[in-house]
This record gives sequence, structure tokens and C-alpha cells, in this order.
Amino acid sequence: GAGVSQSPSNKVTEKGKDVELRCDPISGHTALYWYRQSLGQGLEFLIYFQGNSAPDKSGLPSDRFSAERTGGSVSTLTIQRTQQEDSAVYLCASSLVQRETQYFGPGTRLLVL
Amino acid sequence: DQQVKQNSPSLSVQEGRISILNCDYTNSMFDYFLWYKKYPAEGPTFLISISSIKDKNEDGRFTVFLNKSAKHLSLHIVPSQPGDSAVYFCAASSGGYQKVTFGTGTKLQVIP
Repeated sequence: GAGVSQSPSNKVTEKGKDVELRCDPISGHTALYWYRQSLGQGLEFLIYFQGNSAPDKSGLPSDRFSAERTGGSVSTLTIQRTQQEDSAVYLCASSLVQRETQYFGPGTRLLVL
Repeated sequence: DQQVKQNSPSLSVQEGRISILNCDYTNSMFDYFLWYKKYPAEGPTFLISISSIKDKNEDGRFTVFLNKSAKHLSLHIVPSQPGDSAVYFCAASSGGYQKVTFGTGTKLQVIP
């Protein structure tokens, strides 16, 4: 009965390094979402998965960002060659089916120095 | 282009009084609206939603009102309690399309 979990909870990295953020959705939830919240901003949609496929990648800010989902469960968001403007809280959410209520994880706080 | 706008970044209300949080949207295709509450260091949690076929939805102390002609919705909390102090996000989506667009949030402080 666990909720959405994300790891790591905090990540400090140097500019130019790659980072991987992980999301474990609620078991049985077919839809998975990634958002990011920069300081003083709202939640910015990044990508949505239905099963293992991503019908909507329109929110990914650049080609340095990619995401995958395997086994209809765990998802990883990868940011290559991180920049300081990538510093934000990255939130993952899942829902049972599309358009159902989304349940959010606690987020990963990324700081790029 | 901010399609969902919460123009008040913060709001202070006395305990026991009504809190009214406002949200405006620009996309007339939006037909499903949600409010989420977020405490510090936690992810947002779903609070209440409303479909565009309704103009009001109530759940305990929380009521959401939708005015489609004005492209405006509001969340009423009555009576307000100190535990309601959080950031409230308004969100919207359009039929069949999974992307949910969030506003920038309103920080509510309920003063005991």
C-alpha cells in the first residue's frame, strides 16, 4: 500500500554531469507523470507515460532530458550535461488510469552547482 | 504562456473564517479542473475536482465553484483551520488529453 516513492530525495551535482532520477509509482497504476517545480514557479509538465510508452513528451525542456519506463512500473528521468537552470524539484505522479487523480511522490530536489 | 493563472501568490485568513482561492484559465478546451494542496517538502495531494458539466462540487469544508463563461474557478474553505496552511495549486486538463496544466500556486496561511 505504499505511495509513490522517488529517489534520491536530494541530489547535488556539478554542472556538466549527468543525473538519473528514479520514480516508483503506486503498484497497478498505468499512468506515470514527471513534473518539475523551479523556485517560485508552478508545476511544469515534462512527460507522461501510459504503460511503457510516452504519448506526450512535449514538456521536456531540451534534448538533454530523457525518460523511460520499464515493466509498466519504475521510471527514470535522465538529465545529461546538467546546467544550473536544471536546479528544481522534480516530481513524479501516478494514476490508476488516465485522467484519474494523480498521486504525487515527495520529489527529488536537484541542485546543480 | 501561462494557461492557468493564480494571481494571488499568498493569502492570510483568520481561523474559522472563509478562505477563497481563485484561479483563472485561458484555454477554453479545458473541461476538468482540480485543486491540489502541498505542504513543504512533500508532493502535492489531491483535494477536490470539478468537471465542466458542473458549476459546483462540495466535499466537507471544501467547495469548488466553476464559472465557465468567465473561465474562472475558486476554492472555498470554510471554516478555515490552521492545518489548512499550505500551498494550493489549481490545475486543468482537456478531454481525452492527459496533460494537466498547473497554476503557480497560492500560499494560504490560516492564523490561529
